[in-house]
Amino acid sequence: GESVGLHLPTLSVQEGDNSIINCAYSNSASDYFIWYKQESGKGPQFIIDIRSNMDKRQGQRVTVLLNKTVKHLSLQIAATQPGDSAVYFCAETNSGGYNKLIFGAGTRLAVHP
Amino acid sequence: ETGVTQTPRHLVMGMTNKKSLKCEQHLGHNAMYWYKQSAKKPLELMFVYNFKEQTENNSVPSRFSPECPNSSHLFLHLHTLQPEDSALYLCASSQGLAGASYEQYFGPGTRLTVT
Repeated sequence: GESVGLHLPTLSVQEGDNSIINCAYSNSASDYFIWYKQESGKGPQFIIDIRSNMDKRQGQRVTVLLNKTVKHLSLQIAATQPGDSAVYFCAETNSGGYNKLIFGAGTRLAVHP
Repeated sequence: ETGVTQTPRHLVMGMTNKKSLKCEQHLGHNAMYWYKQSAKKPLELMFVYNFKEQTENNSVPSRFSPECPNSSHLFLHLHTLQPEDSALYLCASSQGLAGASYEQYFGPGTRLTVT
């Protein structure tokens, strides 16, 4: 399931540090956003979502921040672990559509011991 | 696992071959999707089916032909492909238009190589 050959931006962090992955979205009409994680050999896996009526949402070790003014989304991972190493995608959609998710290019997170 | 299975996991085919990819979801969802993930582009939506009806064709060439016989199964029939069609083909499902969640559940993908 890896994006073989795609030159993704890479974020390298030390195990135990916090990670911040950023995403800029394009459609000001988008009102729902999702973060996915894709490990090697697997399909994307849901992490967390947020609707446009919120600017922050927390999950287990993850937090998503939404800044609608500048159309920016971020994913914060606390106490990053080796198992967090993967490619992370943000996706946007408009609730008035057919659940058509538009995915970003992705960021590769590399966690070093 | 996510509840979405895909077969085969790997496929090598010549440009004159005809093959099919299969996807099955065990989640009771009403919407199913085909995506293409290649080395040059991020995840690209190809087709969307809601309640077995195709509701989205994202300008996909006719050499890709989807089929959705019921809400649990989705096929992608391939014929006369080009080497640039080599990619990871991902299937996903979701609750669909009537659902409260937009989350899509992905299968592991089929790695396709066209020679």
